[in-house]
Amino acid sequence: EPEVTQTPSHQVTQMGQEVILRCVPISNHLYFYWYRQILGQKVEFLVSFYNNEISEKSEIFDDQFSVERPDGSNFTLKIRSTKLEDSAMYFCASTLLSGQAYYGYTFGSGTRLTVV
Amino acid sequence: KQEVTQIPAALSVPEGENLVLNCSFTDSAIYNLQWFRQDPGKGLTSLLLIQSSQREQTSGRLNASLDKSSGRSTLYIAASQPGDSATYLCAVDNYGQNFVFGPGTRLSVLP
Repeated sequence: EPEVTQTPSHQVTQMGQEVILRCVPISNHLYFYWYRQILGQKVEFLVSFYNNEISEKSEIFDDQFSVERPDGSNFTLKIRSTKLEDSAMYFCASTLLSGQAYYGYTFGSGTRLTVV
Repeated sequence: KQEVTQIPAALSVPEGENLVLNCSFTDSAIYNLQWFRQDPGKGLTSLLLIQSSQREQTSGRLNASLDKSSGRSTLYIAASQPGDSATYLCAVDNYGQNFVFGPGTRLSVLP
């Protein structure tokens, strides 16, 4: 069964550093997403991406964050000048269709980001 | 703004029991609802997807129902097993823009 692959599985970074989280969505999917889950809290939407541009972003997704699809397979989340409160599990997801998403969303196994 | 709640927050049952997890959402204008399982420190595994035109979906011992007009979904787990112990999340597809997740129900099935 096709999978969404995320790397690394765990990243530790110092406060103020930049990190790039990587995702390889399912190859024929068209819509891509980043979510995050702070320990003990709900999974929260960050951003959706379609046709090489952001289609929606949440209040969390401020200028500190950016997303990119640098080639035909990777989808990245960049976090600049990391803060302690950025520590969370970050999930990538993809789906074939949006709106009438018959296939549902497939999530990756997540990257646990720890900012120290 | 869509809000999703889940009750109970935690549930502990002996092995073999049938159980029901509840999910409620405030805005009935959804495309679909999806139930996920999350093991501690792990990712999200999709269990069942119910499109807005459907009323229920079944997979093995799992059955999920959807009553869009009342903003409710239930996940029924038959003959629970210790391996079912996990957190169960429901999420609603808010007209294709993004998923809104509930806080989850933490299930423990005791041998």
